[in-house]
Amino acid sequence: IQLTQSPSSLSASVGDRVIISCRASQGINNHLAWYQLKPGKVPTLLIYGASTLQSGVPSRFSGSGSGTDFTLTISSLQPEDFATYYCQQLNNYPSFGQGTKLE
Amino acid sequence: ELQLVESGGGLVQPGGSLRLSCAASGFTFNTYAMNWVRQAPGKGLEWVSRISGNGGKTYYADSVKGRFTISRDNSKNTLFLQMNSLRAEDTALYSCAKAGYPWELTMDVWGQGTAVTVSS
Repeated sequence: IQLTQSPSSLSASVGDRVIISCRASQGINNHLAWYQLKPGKVPTLLIYGASTLQSGVPSRFSGSGSGTDFTLTISSLQPEDFATYYCQQLNNYPSFGQGTKLE
Repeated sequence: ELQLVESGGGLVQPGGSLRLSCAASGFTFNTYAMNWVRQAPGKGLEWVSRISGNGGKTYYADSVKGRFTISRDNSKNTLFLQMNSLRAEDTALYSCAKAGYPWELTMDVWGQGTAVTVSS
């Protein structure tokens, strides 16, 4: 299963509402997760099951979608949110999208 | 504190072998599946392999199947990745990651990674 994220990069400002898309090459129900990766840091699991917020993740992050089309929304961008975001499909052979760099 | 610490990376010639280790602490190791994920320089994340909590089931990405072997020693809370027939395209930062809960196929704790460079 291939995952295609858009855009590949995104310029935004603090306070902006940001939407990142992830499209799967075939239907995956809600079997999708989102991660945040900052340079020199380990990835952070943000969302699983397409829309369930991982414990400890700020509520400005939200996810939606089912089937083949998914989105990650950051409602009001904070300085610490500038990072690269990856979607991941959750089956026995998981795969990641190519990433979206938020700058 | 949940912690994963990888070791064993380094420079190896094409066709060579390396064995990576991942020492786990702060959680009941044998109750969680574990993964290896890699990131090549300037590239995105690539899932490599997963092993069940008791070691009975293993899964591999097509890119490494037949060359890499994942294993674990639950008595020592340690995960391994035996990498044989290494290629230049295997050059990457290799990280171990703990399976999440309740969705086992997520990864909720990651190590900092160990760098593998395949070059002559």
